[in-house]
Amino acid sequence: QVELVQSGAEVRKPGASVKVSCQASGYTFTHYYLHWVRQAPGQGLEWIGRINPDSGGTNSAQKFEGRVTMTRDKSISTAYLDLTRLRSDDTAVYYCARGRGRIDTVVARDGDYWGQGTLVTVSS
Amino acid sequence: DIQMTQSPSSVSAAVGDRVTITCRASRSIGNSLAWYQQKPGKAPKLLISAASSLQSGVPSRFSGSGTGTDFTLTIRSLQPDDSATYFCQQGFDFLMWTFGHGTKVEIK
Repeated sequence: QVELVQSGAEVRKPGASVKVSCQASGYTFTHYYLHWVRQAPGQGLEWIGRINPDSGGTNSAQKFEGRVTMTRDKSISTAYLDLTRLRSDDTAVYYCARGRGRIDTVVARDGDYWGQGTLVTVSS
Repeated sequence: DIQMTQSPSSVSAAVGDRVTITCRASRSIGNSLAWYQQKPGKAPKLLISAASSLQSGVPSRFSGSGTGTDFTLTIRSLQPDDSATYFCQQGFDFLMWTFGHGTKVEIK
């Protein structure tokens, strides 16, 4: 069965960086995009970006450009989200989500499997 | 960015009631609309993709409709397990998914 397992909660000070991991199992890692979405406390969902696990190519929302890096390690079917220059309003639960549909057949327009979420708290 | 406007922000209904949630896109998105259910402390769960395609394992009391800019999620006969927040999401711009602000469904 498809499963995305994320790393544990993190606490950082403003200006620091954080790296969240997302380990995939139950499917071929390189066949599906992985997206990152965050949710601030009590708020809605915000798309951060996506990575093609096969090529390593990435796309990110403009508001995160320059602060976000998405990488992957194909040998352990794991994707990573690195967010730098953290601010208090980056406090959120960060999710990874598999794009529905194989990379080579369809455009992924939504996420069919989601990780359990990683709480990142930014506080001085 | 494509803005998604969801309404109502909350609804309280009795078991067995029909509940309708609407989502409007700021411009036409074809049928690239998904609906998610989220329970407290849990990740979103995909219910419906491509505006009306029910995901495997999702109860048939859930249905979606619409095209262009106006979409609807209907829960035909509300059950206690349906208490959750529901989000719409457009994937027409697949390099910038955007979500509605959510509708909290409560059981009376």
